Amino acid sequence: GQQLNQSPQSMFIQEGEDVSMNCTSSSIFNTWLWYKQDPGEGPVLLIALYKAGELTSNGRLTAQFGITRKDSFLNISASIPSDVGIYFCAGHKGSARQLTFGSGTQLTVLP
Amino acid sequence: DTAVSQTPKYLVTQMGNDKSIKCEQNLGHDTMYWYKQDSKKFLKIMFSYNNKELIINETVPNRFSPKSPDKAHLNLHINSLELGDSAVYFCASSQGFAETQYFGPGTRLLVL
Repeated sequence: GQQLNQSPQSMFIQEGEDVSMNCTSSSIFNTWLWYKQDPGEGPVLLIALYKAGELTSNGRLTAQFGITRKDSFLNISASIPSDVGIYFCAGHKGSARQLTFGSGTQLTVLP
Repeated sequence: DTAVSQTPKYLVTQMGNDKSIKCEQNLGHDTMYWYKQDSKKFLKIMFSYNNKELIINETVPNRFSPKSPDKAHLNLHINSLELGDSAVYFCASSQGFAETQYFGPGTRLLVL
């Protein structure tokens, strides 16, 4: 099925640095979601975006719904060791009965 | 008070065996899903059920048979397990179709 282009595929950063990742699609989505998967666990929803241009924060995390409806961005400020994990974007089209997931960004935070 | 729970968490079995994975959600959701996550961490949907009715059945071998006895449960039975079935299987639930989904902790299946 269709995939979202998520980048980067992996990141190694120093503790305290800011992180940015993004997701793009060739088609329009009505909802963008960002999930985090801790090692050995299931994905957990971080942020949900429902409106083009919407900017939403959850603690040190900020996500934006692109105005073209074809992309979304996630920023993490002042990274800490527990930010380690895989971050997935997901999109939903109004008529679809399933989410479309990105391939994930593996984040490693170095002390 | 786990929202979406799966059992077992780990499953190691021989090729050719039949096994089941169980999933339960206490969120009152009407839609449940099974995903397969391969070694590259890619999440691939397998099935979804809405009010016990099969909605999505992706290209999955018919050795995989989901069963939903009620809205809160979605089980996955796998016949004649193959090496390529080794993966992490996630159950998820949502209210309505593909709205915000909540995932279980996963079942790590290893076929030897």
